[in-house]
Formats: sequence, structure tokens, C-alpha cells
Amino acid sequence: AQTVTQSQPEMSVQEAETVTLSCTYDTSESNYYLFWYKQPPSRQMILVIRQEAYKQQNATENRFSVNFQKAAKSFSLKISDSQLGDTAMYFCAFRINTGTASKLTFGTGTRLQVTL
Amino acid sequence: DTAVSQTPKYLVTQMGNDKSIKCEQNLGHDTMYWYKQDSKKFLKIMFSYNNKELIINETVPNRFSPKSPDKAHLNLHINSLELGDSAVYFCASSQFYATNEKLFFGSGTQLSVL
Repeated sequence: AQTVTQSQPEMSVQEAETVTLSCTYDTSESNYYLFWYKQPPSRQMILVIRQEAYKQQNATENRFSVNFQKAAKSFSLKISDSQLGDTAMYFCAFRINTGTASKLTFGTGTRLQVTL
Repeated sequence: DTAVSQTPKYLVTQMGNDKSIKCEQNLGHDTMYWYKQDSKKFLKIMFSYNNKELIINETVPNRFSPKSPDKAHLNLHINSLELGDSAVYFCASSQFYATNEKLFFGSGTQLSVL
């Protein structure tokens, strides 16, 4: 079974600063996808970034980037130039790529507060 | 246009009642899901349908019955509601086997059982 661990229940960062959210996972599969989802107070689940395990290059989306360490099974999210609108719960998620439906396994989330 | 829409957004009901949550997607996806988010914000998959066929059925009480009349709709019916059913229920959809398959979530239904 796959597990996803987010060891930081809460984090705080000042506006314009950089913050890194940690995520580790456990799997015996070699072909899989990793995701970071954001859930603001509106409750909407928003995809932030996606990484294919077979790609060595770290994914980036504007101010969001990941540090994917496959051997260490680590998938951290870096948010640069933090903005107040980044305040949200952030969930790391994992999906194996065996042709089954997108059964995402989520971590327990990290609550990020961006302050002035 | 809302891609994945769920109704109602809030549902307050008494123990023992039966209730339904509806979900519709206009993305043309062939796969739909129900996820449950508990009070600690933990998200877990419940069901998945692909082209109206049930393909994922996690360990969920029989009181929960999903129904997919067509691939754009996936409803969730809950019988004999219990206090522990209080949670936020998310519908989601994706295009199975797409090169860049992504899950699109609805805005959730907050169910409160009193």
C-alpha cells in the first residue's frame, strides 16, 4: 500500500518570503505521479503542480516548484515570493500509473499561513 | 461555467435520515469519483466510476450507494445517516488514460449529521 506523509501540520511565512513544504511517500512502484493540491478557505481543491516519477527534471509552475528526490521518496514544494492568497491547506498526493483510475492517496496536509 | 458542480453545498440533517448529493461535470470526462474529507482534513477516496461502471469501491459502509446514470453524473445516496458521516464530500472527474490526466474537484458538500 502507498502512504504519503506530511510532517509539518502548520507553517507560517511572511509575505514575499520563500517557504518549503515537506512530503515523503512510500511505495514499491516505479511508475507513478505526485501532486500538490491547495485547499483555501473556500474549500475548493486546486491542483498546484504535478510531477511524473520518470522525469528527472523538477516541475515548476510560476512561483511554485518541487524538489523531487526519487531515491529518497521525497517531494517537497517550494513557494517563492509568498502572497497572502497562498494561505491554504496544502496536500501532497500520490497516484500509481498502472492504468487504473486516478486513485489519489493524500497526505494529512500542511496548513500554511502567509502573514504581512 | 463550473466544471464539476455538486449540490447541495451544505446539508444538515438528523441521524437516521436518508440523503443524496448530486454531482455533474461538463468537461467531457469519462471517470468520476467521490472523496470524503473528515474533520481532520484527511481526504480518502470512496468510489470511482468509469463510463458508468464502478471501478473503485473502497471500504465504505453499504449505507453509501453511488449511482451514475451517465458519464457526466455521479450521485451519492446515503441511508440511515450516522453522526460519523459528518464530513465534506468531494466529487471529482478526470479523463482516464489521458496523457496529462488530472483530477478536477467540485467545491464539496459539507454534511452535518445531528
